[in-house]
Amino acid sequence: EAGVAQSPRYKIIEKRQSVAFWCNPISGHATLYWYQQILGQGPKLLIQFQNNGVVDDSQLPKDRFSAERLKGVDSTLKIQPAKLEDSAVYLCASSPGHLAPSTDTQYFGPGTRLTVL
Amino acid sequence: AQTVTQSQPEMSVQEAETVTLSCTYDTSESDYYLFWYKQPPSRQMILVIRQEAYKQQNATENRFSVNFQKAAKSFSLKISDSQLGDAAMYFCAYRSARRGGATNKLIFGTGTLLAVQP
Repeated sequence: EAGVAQSPRYKIIEKRQSVAFWCNPISGHATLYWYQQILGQGPKLLIQFQNNGVVDDSQLPKDRFSAERLKGVDSTLKIQPAKLEDSAVYLCASSPGHLAPSTDTQYFGPGTRLTVL
Repeated sequence: AQTVTQSQPEMSVQEAETVTLSCTYDTSESDYYLFWYKQPPSRQMILVIRQEAYKQQNATENRFSVNFQKAAKSFSLKISDSQLGDAAMYFCAYRSARRGGATNKLIFGTGTLLAVQP
C-alpha cells in the first residue's frame, strides 16, 4: 500500500512570495490533515478535511493560507504572501475517517520543508 | 484546551539498554487516546503505540510499552533493548475520543530527541 505522498520535499522562497504544497493521501482515506511543524515544536493542525469538506480550520491563518481538496482526494496548501515565521515543515496526514476513533490511525507523509528568506 | 508536555528535550541510551521517555497531559475529558509517534531524520512520522484512556491495561508493542497513569495524567514510553534504529524524535500526542470532525486532531508535545549510543 502506497503511503502519503507530498511534494516538493524542500522549498526556499523570499518573503512575500507565494508557495504551494501538494499532498496525495493513501487511497480510500476520507480524512486529510495539514500540520505545521516549526523547528523545536510539535506539529500543529492547520486544517482537516473530511472528503472535500473542511471540518476544522480554526488554526489556519486565513489571511495568507488557503487549502483545498478537490474531488476529495489530493489536496493543495497555499501560502500567499509568505512571512519569515512561516518557515517550517508542512506535514500532510490521512486516515480512513470512517472507522471507530480508536482505530482511525493517522498516517503521515514525509513533509515539505519550507524556508522563507 | 488540552495540552501535552514533554519535559525531556533530549535523552541518550546505550544500545541494548532500556530508556523511558516522559509525557504529561492536561484535559478535562474522561475519554481520549494517547499516542507515541517516532519521527526519524527523514521526517516521516510513524505511530509507535497507542493507548485508550478507558483501558487500565498498559499497551505493549514488541519492545515498546507504556506506563499510563490516568489520575496523574502521565503517559511514559519505555523502550527495551534499544537499537540504533530507535534513534529519532519521539512525540507524545493526545486525541479526543469524541466521534467525528474537528475532534480527530492530534495535539502534540514538543518532542524528545533520543540518541542511541553503540
